[in-house]
Amino acid sequence: QVQLQESGPGLVKPSETLSLTCNVSGGSISSGGYYWSWIRQHPGKGLEWIGYIYYSGNTYYNPSLKSRVTISEDTSKNQFSLKMKSVTAADTAVYYCARENEGIDYWGQGTLVTVSS
Amino acid sequence: QTVVTQEPSLTVSPGGTVTLTCASSTGAVTTAYYPNWFQQKPGQAPRALIYSTSNKHSWTPARFSGSLLGGKAALTLSGVQPEDEADYYCLLFYRGARVFGGGTKLTVL
Repeated sequence: QVQLQESGPGLVKPSETLSLTCNVSGGSISSGGYYWSWIRQHPGKGLEWIGYIYYSGNTYYNPSLKSRVTISEDTSKNQFSLKMKSVTAADTAVYYCARENEGIDYWGQGTLVTVSS
Repeated sequence: QTVVTQEPSLTVSPGGTVTLTCASSTGAVTTAYYPNWFQQKPGQAPRALIYSTSNKHSWTPARFSGSLLGGKAALTLSGVQPEDEADYYCLLFYRGARVFGGGTKLTVL
């Protein structure tokens, strides 16, 4: 049973960089065929796909966020990470990490990140 | 910018059947968009229900089914239970990118 758990600061100041990590257990992120994704949900709103990193290390980002987002992996720790620079209040959201196989199957519980001074 | 559209809200009676749809601004949804469906209850993370149009995960109740209907992806709930009241999201694959629909709030009344 794959489990994902997000971690990182719950409060980030405007213009700074948001950094989150997703710890994966029950499976290796370097196993072939999986995409490791970040998704967010603004308060009371719908889901927004941020991007993914493939097991090969290739990445793909939401075009609307591409200039500010980097997803990376640390296979030694079985983790992948999200960095979003120059955040504003509009980036306040619950951030989820997830695994995509033939579809997004496993999700983390989500972590609320608030952007405020 | 690609937009994926779902019904904002639907109401169904317990034991009834309801179909939620998912449309793409780029045209008809086909299997090549690998439609996914998710259920989200308040305060919880989304839960995957359907992938690749009509495939169920091992935990997906039998009353949920996915299909293509009139150029859209569709999620049908048959024999609706009170616990099916939730928000439902579709996800479409556009080559590298993925785009979520705005979600449908399903009320069981």
